[in-house]
Amino acid sequence: DAKTTQPTSMDCAEGRAANLPCNHSTISGNEYVYWYRQIHSQGPQYIIHGLKNNETNEMASLIITEDRKSSTLILPHATLRDTAVYYCIVRVALYNFNKFYFGSGTKLNVKP
Amino acid sequence: DGGITQSPKYLFRKEGQNVTLSCEQNLNHDAMYWYRQDPGQGLRLIYYSQIVNDFQKGDIAEGYSVSREKKESFPLTVTSAQKNPTAFYLCASSSRGLRTDGEQFFGPGTRLTVL
Repeated sequence: DAKTTQPTSMDCAEGRAANLPCNHSTISGNEYVYWYRQIHSQGPQYIIHGLKNNETNEMASLIITEDRKSSTLILPHATLRDTAVYYCIVRVALYNFNKFYFGSGTKLNVKP
Repeated sequence: DGGITQSPKYLFRKEGQNVTLSCEQNLNHDAMYWYRQDPGQGLRLIYYSQIVNDFQKGDIAEGYSVSREKKESFPLTVTSAQKNPTAFYLCASSSRGLRTDGEQFFGPGTRLTVL
């Protein structure tokens, strides 16, 4: 069972910010939100993760709402190479094992 | 370079044949995972292993088997009992346990087509 819902696809103009939303309304207090992206027929690539606070790294920013029921991944200046499927994932701690729940992802199309 | 390698990239097999997919990592990770991805879908967990000589079933283990004889290697066998084996298979690894940085690192994948 996927624990996240995302739009199927989104378009973004090159050079503009891409804002990708994700709903995870059933998330529990100790479950992290992760974002990965997958370029066609390659392995997923880690982007960013967070628990409660907003996070930023060299690739993106992650904004998590105060109630933690949704989040937004922000790519500040999208390029054509950012065209990919973006997965919002809930990481659940089970005993000594971290389980990742993948949804179907958002296909981001960056256009010139 | 540290990373995960999967081979082969493309694999074709006849129906009813077993086939083994290779996964090797040199990241010194204890945990390794196998996922299956169907077109337009997310990843589903087949098997995972937290340490050598131990592995557990994931959500869709039927028709698959694994072994973990070495820390670096986690091969997946797709058996003839798997009813719909054609898919994209991804191997991943991570540090063991509930670390806050517990991201998974993925290999490039193997696309299996059963004819």
